[in-house]
Amino acid sequence: DVKVTQSSRYLVKRTGEKVFLECVQDMDHENMFWYRQDPGLGLRLIYFSYDVKMKEKGDIPEGYSVSREKKERFSLILESASTNQTSMYLCASRGMGYEQYFGPGTRLTVT
Amino acid sequence: AQTVTQSQPEMSVQEAETVTLSCTYDTSESDYYLFWYKQPPSRQMILVIRQEAYKQQNATENRFSVNFQKAAKSFSLKISDSQLGDAAMYFCAYRNYFNNDMRFGAGTRLTVKP
Repeated sequence: DVKVTQSSRYLVKRTGEKVFLECVQDMDHENMFWYRQDPGLGLRLIYFSYDVKMKEKGDIPEGYSVSREKKERFSLILESASTNQTSMYLCASRGMGYEQYFGPGTRLTVT
Repeated sequence: AQTVTQSQPEMSVQEAETVTLSCTYDTSESDYYLFWYKQPPSRQMILVIRQEAYKQQNATENRFSVNFQKAAKSFSLKISDSQLGDAAMYFCAYRNYFNNDMRFGAGTRLTVKP
């Protein structure tokens, strides 16, 4: 079974803190994604990566950056967390096929 | 840009009955995938069913089937013999064959009543 894991299920951070969300997949997938999920808005793409050290902006990249130093790991970074970044964050990966596999999500609260 | 619309924020169904979730999308492309994903209360999203746009036959996976109307840009999900475990958020999604990013609708929360 494909497994996508995220470092935390719940995270509480203070405004202005630097926040790292980690995602690891075990299927040697080329493509990895970070989404933000908010009620009534569905999933919105923040960033994706199609190879090591490669990244592309999604629909809402402002306030976020990413890092992919190894194929299996894709990190989302909030340089200076703000309250409007309180949300559910979902990581996903996909190989050459059609199916995208998701992690369990990280519920981030910024106070 | 492609958009995906789910017009039903919430739906409910009696156990063992049938329910249909609606989805429409907007695209000028001819080659694409459509998906329905399920997100149970534990939050891990899983793929329920997919449809390739070039296939005229509607996809079926056990109790789940779709009604794909390409000209109308409609992609509804039918769940037959609903079970309590079907209770979840359901997301409709679109992806062009050649693009990496997937577009999601806002989701429909399905409640199954015993």
